[in-house]
Amino acid sequence: DIVMTQSPESLAVSLGERATISCKSSQSVLYSGNNKNYLGWYQQKPGQPPKLLIYWASYRESGVPDRFSGSGSGTDFTLTITSLQAEDVAVYYCQQYYSSPDSFGQGTKLEIK
Amino acid sequence: EVQLVQSGAELKKPGESLRISCKGSGYNFATHWIGWVRQTPGKGLEWMGIIYPGDSRRKNNPSLQGQVTISADTSVSSVYLHWNSLKPSDSGIYYCARAQVYGDDAFDLWGLGTMVTVSS
Repeated sequence: DIVMTQSPESLAVSLGERATISCKSSQSVLYSGNNKNYLGWYQQKPGQPPKLLIYWASYRESGVPDRFSGSGSGTDFTLTITSLQAEDVAVYYCQQYYSSPDSFGQGTKLEIK
Repeated sequence: EVQLVQSGAELKKPGESLRISCKGSGYNFATHWIGWVRQTPGKGLEWMGIIYPGDSRRKNNPSLQGQVTISADTSVSSVYLHWNSLKPSDSGIYYCARAQVYGDDAFDLWGLGTMVTVSS
């Protein structure tokens, strides 16, 4: 099974500043057949289900603000939130869907400094 | 409205059986894979398995083999998660979620979750 490891576990960032979350997979999630990374990012607020932000590592889901972006390839990925807003306080998860069983990172809790 | 509506919270005793449901609406239910994801304080988000309602093809998490069954009924646009004999470790919030296109896709639509508590 592929293990997903996120860092840091928690992060405090000032409003308007940049937040960066890392996600590493224990093996590559890049499929050479279509050159796509099978990696998604989700945001979960208290009492709500996860919400898809980014898929294929860097494709923003419809309706997601453009301050959210994803990057990386192979085994190393990053979620970046530029100009942090108060409503971005949440737990963020990465997920690999390259190999069954799919697996999630342990989550990164983002707070306002 | 495109949505997944899950059944309500359950309080059960160890050894009891349970079936929870997830009903899709607002889209072609039969042609999108639906997965189940468990959330617990100890293990975080855990992918349990996924089913294609159109023909009931399934992929299960081997770590849960035999403990839980995923099924679908396209006549009522619903997917189910079934336990024959619950354990306290089955307690958690269970989400159903729709894969974007294929079974190996991100989940773009989630239900609100069903909380299951197993306690004597």
